[in-house]
Amino acid sequence: EDQVTQSPEALRLQEGESSSLNCSYTVSGLRGLFWYRQDPGKGPEFLFTLYSAGEEKEKERLKATLTKKESFLHITAPKPEDSATYLCAVQALIDAGNNRKLIWGLGTSLAVNP
Amino acid sequence: ETGVTQTPRHLVMGMTNKKSLKCEQHLGHNAMYWYKQSAKKPLELMFVYNFKEQTENNSVPSRFSPECPNSSHLFLHLHTLQPEDSALYLCASSQDHRGGTEAFFGQGTRLTVV
Repeated sequence: EDQVTQSPEALRLQEGESSSLNCSYTVSGLRGLFWYRQDPGKGPEFLFTLYSAGEEKEKERLKATLTKKESFLHITAPKPEDSATYLCAVQALIDAGNNRKLIWGLGTSLAVNP
Repeated sequence: ETGVTQTPRHLVMGMTNKKSLKCEQHLGHNAMYWYKQSAKKPLELMFVYNFKEQTENNSVPSRFSPECPNSSHLFLHLHTLQPEDSALYLCASSQDHRGGTEAFFGQGTRLTVV
C-alpha cells in the first residue's frame, strides 16, 4: 500500500539549533516529492519539489534532500519564524496509463523557541 | 489581488442550512482543487477540475456539490451537513491537473457545523 510517514510528529528546538525532519515513503512509482509549510489557520505554502534520488534544493535556512526511500528537510540555525507545520506529499504513479495520485503525510509540527 | 483567495474565512452553519464556499485564483492555472483538512488526518482530496471539467471526485458525499464556471473560479455548495464535516476546507490551483506541478493553496475556510 502506498504510504507517506513523517517524523517526528512534533519537534521543539532552540533558536540556532539545527535539525532535520524526515519523510519516508513506500510508493510504486515516485513521480515527485513536495514539501510545504503550513502556518496555523492558513493554507499550505509550497517550498520544494524533488524528482529523483540525489536531488537537493535550498531556500534560506531550509535544504531538502531525496533518496529512494525518504526525504529530509534540514533546518540550519532556525529562527522563531520557522515555527510551522511542515507537510510532505508524494506523487505516485497508479497505473500504466500515467495516472497519478498525491499522497500526503500528517506533517511535523515545529516550534522554535527564542 | 494575487494567488488563491477563499471566502469566507470562517463559517458556522446549522445542519439544515445551505451555504457556499468560494475560491478564485489569479495565477492563470488550469487546474483547481478542493481539499478537506481535519485534525490528525492527512489532507483529503475532494474534487479536481481541469479547464472547468471535473476530472476527479473522491467518493465525496452528495451533500458537497462543486461548481467550476471557469478556470479561475471554484465553488463548493454545502447542504444538510453533519457535525463531522467540520474542518478546514482548502482550495488550491496548479498548472497541471495530474499533480505534476506544485499546488498553490488559499487560506482556507474554517467550517463549523452545529
